[in-house]
Amino acid sequence: GAGVSQTPSNKVTEKGKYVELRCDPISGHTALYWYRQSLGQGPEFLIYFQGTGAADDSGLPNDRFFAVRPEGSVSTLKIQRTERGDSAVYLCASSLMGAPSSYNEQFFGPGTRLTVL
Amino acid sequence: QKEVEQNSGPLSVPEGAIASLNCTYSDRGSQSFFWYRQYSGKSPELIMFIYSNGDKEDGRFTAQLNKASQYVSLLIRDSQPSDSATYLCAVNPGRGDYKLSFGAGTTVTVRA
Repeated sequence: GAGVSQTPSNKVTEKGKYVELRCDPISGHTALYWYRQSLGQGPEFLIYFQGTGAADDSGLPNDRFFAVRPEGSVSTLKIQRTERGDSAVYLCASSLMGAPSSYNEQFFGPGTRLTVL
Repeated sequence: QKEVEQNSGPLSVPEGAIASLNCTYSDRGSQSFFWYRQYSGKSPELIMFIYSNGDKEDGRFTAQLNKASQYVSLLIRDSQPSDSATYLCAVNPGRGDYKLSFGAGTTVTVRA
């Protein structure tokens, strides 16, 4: 079956602009995660959705970042007034409901590479 | 102190040798531990999961967990050139928290 998909694969924008990044999780997965990965670093947690609601948004760096999942499937990460420091690969992952494990794996999408000039 | 720390790389091993990767974590109450492999330009993929003290083997991979020392390791036996990748250690605190905290990764190169 299809894996997690993310669009666009690459996004180049100018400082101060608004961007939207989309994630389409694996069908049937109720949990959805956003991480971002800077060069040479591991993924850093941003936000976790269980269904339509954000169960944990403790990783969002500031109020310029916002994410929605209105129908409990596709999610959009929105970044306002982008800064050069926002440049990173934004990864989306999905899983079945519950604690992560080998049978409740977080499957990662290919990521969106965001470059802020 | 970072939540999850991995031994700095890169690690270069000859084909057929054992690659040993180490990871320490700061939250003593953490409940589950993961090793992900990430090829250059690709997304992470899960290769090992461990939650109890001791060893867990899966093919050429062995994960070792020592909760008292807050230490988890990954051994890759009979290393192959296809094992060349960055290996990420990830920790889940449990207690109703489902996010993963990742280390910075260790890049492994297997020399043919």
